[in-house]
Amino acid sequence: SQQGEEDPQALSIQEGENATMNCSYKTSINNLQWYRQNSGRGLVHLILIRSNEREKHSGRLRVTLDTSKKSSSLLITASRAADTASYFCATDSDSWGKLQFGAGTQVVVTP
Amino acid sequence: NAGVTQTPKFQVLKTGQSMTLQCAQDMNHEYMSWYRQDPGMGLRLIHYSVGAGITDQGEVPNGYNVSRSTTEDFPLRLLSAAPSQTSVYFCASSYSEGANYGYTFGSGTRLTVV
Repeated sequence: SQQGEEDPQALSIQEGENATMNCSYKTSINNLQWYRQNSGRGLVHLILIRSNEREKHSGRLRVTLDTSKKSSSLLITASRAADTASYFCATDSDSWGKLQFGAGTQVVVTP
Repeated sequence: NAGVTQTPKFQVLKTGQSMTLQCAQDMNHEYMSWYRQDPGMGLRLIHYSVGAGITDQGEVPNGYNVSRSTTEDFPLRLLSAAPSQTSVYFCASSYSEGANYGYTFGSGTRLTVV
């Protein structure tokens, strides 16, 4: 079973717009991470937010975490065509490095 | 270049064959893990290691074996390949020291079992 579920499953936006995707999970976590995967490639780690943090920023990325609702959101501001990819949330609940992934959100950014 | 190296990148096996997927990292990370990714799904953990000589099962371990004799290498063995093992396999390494951490994934091995 998968811990995380992303919403929406797919997102299509134009360059310059913001993209928001959400992740819900089932059990308590140590941290939650977001990854990007370009088509046919490996995963790239984007950002990690710990269970005692509520918001984190990295460049054009903003992540929030609400442990009471067991949910997180990833915001990509001023999107670019290069942001076209699948985005996955992953939770770390047991011990470091044992991640449980959601099914991902496919983001398409058109010029 | 520092990172996680997976070999081979592509492999076709016949049902019942065995093979080893190789994974090596040169970042001295303690933790290594194997995941499989099926179409339309996220990654699922197969096996996991917290250091040389220590391994543990993940969510979907059946049909796979691992060993970790060195910090650098974490091979995944398919004992008797089945069509259900057709997937893309990713190896990852990571570390955590206080506020510092790092996660690195390999580029994947695309396995087809016919």
